[in-house]
Order: sequence, then structure tokens, then C-alpha cells
Amino acid sequence: GENVEQHPSTLSVQEGDSAVIKCTYSDSASNYFPWYKQELGKGPQLIIDIRSNVGEKKDQRIAVTLNKTAKHFSLHITETQPEDSAVYFCAALDQAGTALIFGKGTTLSVSS
Amino acid sequence: KAGVTQTPRYLIKTRGQQVTLSCSPISGHRSVSWYQQTPGQGLQFLFEYFSETQRNKGNFPGRFSGRQFSNSRSEMNVSTLELGDSALYLCASSRGQGSNTEAFFGQGTRLTVV
Repeated sequence: GENVEQHPSTLSVQEGDSAVIKCTYSDSASNYFPWYKQELGKGPQLIIDIRSNVGEKKDQRIAVTLNKTAKHFSLHITETQPEDSAVYFCAALDQAGTALIFGKGTTLSVSS
Repeated sequence: KAGVTQTPRYLIKTRGQQVTLSCSPISGHRSVSWYQQTPGQGLQFLFEYFSETQRNKGNFPGRFSGRQFSNSRSEMNVSTLELGDSALYLCASSRGQGSNTEAFFGQGTRLTVV
């Protein structure tokens, strides 16, 4: 079945810097890759997603890139702010299209 | 537009008991999936329902079960609770068909087994 690896597990940046989180997946049939942000005491919030027919997608300060050949996808956050501090999860939708397989998460800390 | 609602938010149960958790999806969403979140294992898929049918099940013992009603609301049940079942249980809803795969999560039910 699908397996998703996520790196790094923790990331500390200064306010205004960029942050990059990387994920790899194992099943070449996967075609949907969402990213979630989870704040303390809350459920995961969908922040951006990408489908396999697209190489890059941007939404204001957030962008996601996908390399299908290498089975890599990455989250890029520019001009980080303290409110970006949270745990970020990448995921891949399984072949059946019914289950998200998650990475282990990255704890992002943005200090001002 | 109301989001995904999970009840209760917190539960404390004793080993050997059973528990039922409830999830109301976003209006118009017919797919409900359940996930278990623990510090050690992260987010793990339990099962997914669409139009009252279980379409997929994760690698959990038979003590974990679920169902979906005609109004798309879903419940999950855990019988004979074990200490290791302590976790945050998350429900996600989506339209569940074709390219409509965006899944939105509720706030979760925090289950503590003592």
C-alpha cells in the first residue's frame, strides 16, 4: 500500500524567512496530495492541495510543488509569520480514492 | 456554511467498556472517513463510508466499527476498550466522487481510556 515519508520532523525559522517541508510517496498511482495545518486542540485544516496533472500550485504565501517522476512533493511557505506556527501534515490519496495516507508531520516554529 | 461536527469533544472510559462517537458531515457531503491520531503512530485511516456503504477499511482490529446513516451522519464504535485506544479520533467529510476529493476535518473527539 501507499507510504508517505515527511521531512523534517521539526523546523524553526525566523519571522519573514521561508520554510520548506518535503514528502515522498511510494505508490505511483496516487494522484491527489493535500497539505493540512493542525493547531493545538484543533482538527487538521486543509491549506492547499495538488493533483498529479499539475506541477505547481500557489495560494498567496503558500505553494506546493509535485515531481511525479521522483514521487516527491513539497510545501513552501514564504514570509513566515508567528501564526504559521503549527504542525503540518502531507498526505496522499490511496488508489481507491477513499483513504488519505499521512506523513508523520512537521512542527513548524516561527519566532519573531 | 457549517463545518464537520464531532460529538462529544472529550470522553473518559474504563478498560473493557465500549464507546460510540458521532460525526455530522458538511451539508452535501456524502463521504465520511475516520482517522485515529496518536503521538506515536500519527494519523491512521480507520474506515470510509459513502452513501451508507463502507468502501474502505484500514488495518485496525474488528473492535473498531462504524456505520453511516441515510442523512450521511456517521458513528464509530469501539468495543472492549484498551488503554492503547486512547487517542484523538477525527472525522473528515468530502463529496467523495470523482475529482471531488477535498476532505475537511472536524475538531475530533479526545478519548482517554483508564
